Amino acid sequence: AQSVTQPDIHITVSEGASLELRCNYSYGATPYLFWYVQSPGQGLQLLLKYFSGDTLVQGIKGFEAEFKRSQSSFNLRKPSVHWSDAAEYFCAVGKKTSYDKVIFGPGTSLSVIP
Amino acid sequence: NAGVTQTPKFRILKIGQSMTLQCTQDMNHNYMYWYRQDPGMGLKLIYYSVGAGITDKGEVPNGYNVSRSTTEDFPLRLELAAPSQTSVYFCASSPLADPSYEQYFGPGTRLTVT
Repeated sequence: AQSVTQPDIHITVSEGASLELRCNYSYGATPYLFWYVQSPGQGLQLLLKYFSGDTLVQGIKGFEAEFKRSQSSFNLRKPSVHWSDAAEYFCAVGKKTSYDKVIFGPGTSLSVIP
Repeated sequence: NAGVTQTPKFRILKIGQSMTLQCTQDMNHNYMYWYRQDPGMGLKLIYYSVGAGITDKGEVPNGYNVSRSTTEDFPLRLELAAPSQTSVYFCASSPLADPSYEQYFGPGTRLTVT
């Protein structure tokens, strides 16, 4: 069965510092992988996704993520965090041809110190 | 485009009451979903629909019902509200043509059952 873990429940970084949010998944084949961001009181917005091809994926707002098959990971990175990046971040894994099988991780809450 | 809209934003129900959460999308997406979000648990799929007239259960369907009479609307019905249904509910949609099934989310409905 698919599963997604985000080992860090909460992370605090200083503005301007680099950021890495971890995501590990369990799946028997090459999955679709997503990172969504949820600002307070808002719905989820897609940051980036891995579908196929280049394992380093660029997203919106300066985020990137790298798919590492050998580690079953899809970590999200940003070189310099802005105060507006404070939000909840969700990793999700999907299965080809199964629109009902997108599994979301528990989320990582990011706080940014000015 | 308004995207995915949900009403109401907030609602307090008494145990045993019923209500309908409304969801509308104006992107002509075939797929629509209802999720609930509980703290530290990520999103759990309640019901989904692949088109007008077609719905199916997700991971946590008990206590809920849905209908899909049009492409645009996907209401979620709670018949006998219970405290366990206190949660934030998100509606989402995705286009048929996107094989990754990237989802577009509404802003959510925060429901409290007391």
